[in-house]
Amino acid sequence: KQEVTQIPAALSVPEGENLVLNCSFTDSAIYNLQWFRQDPGKGLTSLLLIQSSQREQTSGRLNASLDKSSGRSTLYIAASQPGDSATYLCAVANDYKLSFGAGTTVTVRA
Amino acid sequence: DAGITQSPRYKITETGRQVTLMCHQTWSHSYMFWYRQDLGHGLRLIYYSAAADITDKGEVSDGYVVSRSKTENFPLTLESATRSQTSVYFCASSGGGTQYFGPGTRLLVL
Repeated sequence: KQEVTQIPAALSVPEGENLVLNCSFTDSAIYNLQWFRQDPGKGLTSLLLIQSSQREQTSGRLNASLDKSSGRSTLYIAASQPGDSATYLCAVANDYKLSFGAGTTVTVRA
Repeated sequence: DAGITQSPRYKITETGRQVTLMCHQTWSHSYMFWYRQDLGHGLRLIYYSAAADITDKGEVSDGYVVSRSKTENFPLTLESATRSQTSVYFCASSGGGTQYFGPGTRLLVL
């Protein structure tokens, strides 16, 4: 069974600082890895998808890396803003089914 | 509107009652999923469907039933609701490897 761990569970940073969110998984035979954002009381918004053959993916201030052999992914958010405050979830796909980490709750202080 | 919708958004019911949660997507995605999100357990897969009339169990399927007679609809039924099924339920569909989530249904079983 795929186990997904996200560290840290919570993070508080001043505005402008870069964010580094970590995700680790136990089964490296993955189909892809997806990072989501969830605001309180809301659904999940897909941020980035990294296919198993890719090493990284970028979208604006977001960059995600994938090291399949070591079972790790990192989400970098550059120059954080208060609007980045949310819970960030890592999800790993084995076949089409996703296994989720518990998330990292980020607070960006103005 | 294009996308994935869920109804109802909020539901209160009593133990023993049958409840059906609806999910509709406009992308004609083949794969659809149902998840529940609980504090302390994160997001867990209940059921998924690879196409119309093809469904399979996820991690926490006991007490739930699904059907998929049309590609765009994937209803989830709680046959006899229990308090432990109080949760937030998310429907998702998959296109190009990315899973897109609906806004969720908050279910309270009294």
